[in-house]
Amino acid sequence: DVVMTQSPPSLPVTLGQPASISCRSSQSLVDSDGNTYLNWFHQRPGQSPRRLIYKVSNRDSGVPDRFSGSGSGTDFTLKISRVEAEDVGIYYCMQATHWPPGTFGQGTKVEIK
Amino acid sequence: QVQLVESGGGVVQPGRSLRLSCAGSGFSFSDYSMHWVRQAPGQGLEWVAIISYDGDNKYYADSMEGRFTISRDNSKNALFLQMNSLRPEDTAVYYCVRGRRDLDYWGQGTQVTVSS
Repeated sequence: DVVMTQSPPSLPVTLGQPASISCRSSQSLVDSDGNTYLNWFHQRPGQSPRRLIYKVSNRDSGVPDRFSGSGSGTDFTLKISRVEAEDVGIYYCMQATHWPPGTFGQGTKVEIK
Repeated sequence: QVQLVESGGGVVQPGRSLRLSCAGSGFSFSDYSMHWVRQAPGQGLEWVAIISYDGDNKYYADSMEGRFTISRDNSKNALFLQMNSLRPEDTAVYYCVRGRRDLDYWGQGTQVTVSS
């Protein structure tokens, strides 16, 4: 199975400052169709996860443009250009290239300093 | 708007069974593969199973293979998860999720607690 490794596990940030989360996969996530199926999710306390980014860098509808995804192959990054209070919670990356199983990273908890 | 509503969770003794349901609305349910994903207390997300749009193909996480069965009834826009031989480590919130590789919409989850 593909192992997804996120870092850091915890990320204290100052409001208005940038934040960056890394996600590395144990093998390339480039599919035979040429796409890379790497998703990012955000889970606020007490809520269901919400998808933010799909196929590495595509923002979902309604996701603020301060969120951006990048990367290729085995190395991916989620960036928040200026953290706002509503951005707290846990962020997960997930690969959907090598099915089954789908595999999630262990999560990165973002909190305000 | 897309809605996924899970039900059927509860407290159950080890070794017993439980059947979860998920009602989909606001989209063409029969066009989409569907997943179950779970989250144990204080833990991360764990993929459980996926079923193709027509129900012909099903895949499971290794730890659930043989104990859990995913199914669907497209005439009722419903997804199911039959869970047998439940163990304390199956205690989690179970989410119904849309889309084969997309996982673009999640339900609110249903709590399953396995305890004597």
